[in-house]
Amino acid sequence: QKEVEQNSGPLSVPEGAIASLNCTYSDRGSQSFFWYRQYSGKSPELIMSIYSNGDKEDGRFTAQLNKASQYVSLLIRDSQPSDSATYLCAGEGGSNYKLTFGKGTLLTVNP
Amino acid sequence: GAVVSQHPSRVICKSGTSVKIECRSLDFQATTMFWYRQFPKQSLMLMATSNEGSKATYEQGVEKDKFLINHASLTLSTLTVTSAHPEDSSFYICSARPYYGGDSESTEAFFGQGTRLTVV
Repeated sequence: QKEVEQNSGPLSVPEGAIASLNCTYSDRGSQSFFWYRQYSGKSPELIMSIYSNGDKEDGRFTAQLNKASQYVSLLIRDSQPSDSATYLCAGEGGSNYKLTFGKGTLLTVNP
Repeated sequence: GAVVSQHPSRVICKSGTSVKIECRSLDFQATTMFWYRQFPKQSLMLMATSNEGSKATYEQGVEKDKFLINHASLTLSTLTVTSAHPEDSSFYICSARPYYGGDSESTEAFFGQGTRLTVV
């Protein structure tokens, strides 16, 4: 069974700090990985996608993928209170591009 | 771009009635849409994959006769919860992948706003 594991947290960081979110996956056939942000009561919002080993940066966000270790991470630099949300890691594999989601990590950024 | 609109955002219905939820891709076409259900403090659980012009593919344990899915066009998929019961109360979310023609489809999926269903 394909699984995506995340530390459920909660993770609490002070404003301006770096938040580090981690994810592991079991399906070696997964090729694409995504980080979604979900505010309470809202639907997920795509913030990063990564397909190749290494780092991918977009503004304050950096995604890292290590396929050998089956590990994906998301770093948020200069964390802001508005970053407080649940972050969902998802991996894609198989036909129809079905996504398998982790349970999410609740991040709180304290002013 | 890549906007997915879901309607209604909230619905309350009586036990035994049916509720239809619409998912529209506003600025792109989608041959494949996905329907998820999310219970409080839990992650998204895929219910079914909606395929334009063909039958939906349901995940194990999801009753296809209870959760009717129709993907009538390249921009619209609907989920109908039939004979709703209180245990069907949940947050239902659709997602869609932009389709570019031929075999080309975006690997990124975009979500609708979600529908909060309460069955009383």
